Amino acid sequence: KAGVTQTPRYLIKTRGQQVTLSCSPISGHRSVSWYQQTPGQGLQFLFEYFSETQRNKGNFPGRFSGRQFSNSRSEMNVSTLELGDSALYLCASSPGTDEQYFGPGTRLTVT
Amino acid sequence: DAKTTQPTSMDCAEGRAANLPCNHSTISGNEYVYWYRQIHSQGPQYIIHGLKNNETNEMASLIITEDRKSSTLILPHATLRDTAVYYCIVRATPYNNNDMRFGAGTRLTVKP
Repeated sequence: KAGVTQTPRYLIKTRGQQVTLSCSPISGHRSVSWYQQTPGQGLQFLFEYFSETQRNKGNFPGRFSGRQFSNSRSEMNVSTLELGDSALYLCASSPGTDEQYFGPGTRLTVT
Repeated sequence: DAKTTQPTSMDCAEGRAANLPCNHSTISGNEYVYWYRQIHSQGPQYIIHGLKNNETNEMASLIITEDRKSSTLILPHATLRDTAVYYCIVRATPYNNNDMRFGAGTRLTVKP
């Protein structure tokens, strides 16, 4: 089976812009979760989608949003980018058990 | 507010067993111990998890003390490709992804 794929792998944006990141889960996995990883804060949970519905949400401002499509692919969007949004954004898919399979991440740099 | 503590770094000789400790003294009864690792420039990789019994899979073994306040991840025959940052976390069930909080982890360097 192919693993979790994320596009793009690298992205540079300027403050105030918005960005959309994409994630394709492992075939058959219906749960997709998004995380932000920074050197200072470590890994932090953003949100989880299951069957196109947001099932769980972390403690991030409303500028961070996401959605899931009927084929389980997911996107996350960050509006009005701030310098502090620079991070590695990770997507993980799950077959519904506790195991999560992570993608390679999208490294976002905000200048 | 870290629930686990791990050494910052460890070295291991190639072919030898790597034993990575983790303290989780405030673990509660419904919390599992999970181990992940992250190789540079890649996403985290699940390794193993357990509740109170020792667990083994094709990647590693997990030894949990009887009081569950600490555990050890064992890579039986470390290779250079096992060089990575290893994260120990505790997660309750039913699982909540808010528990997926990686701290600094242990940077394991496997040396030839």
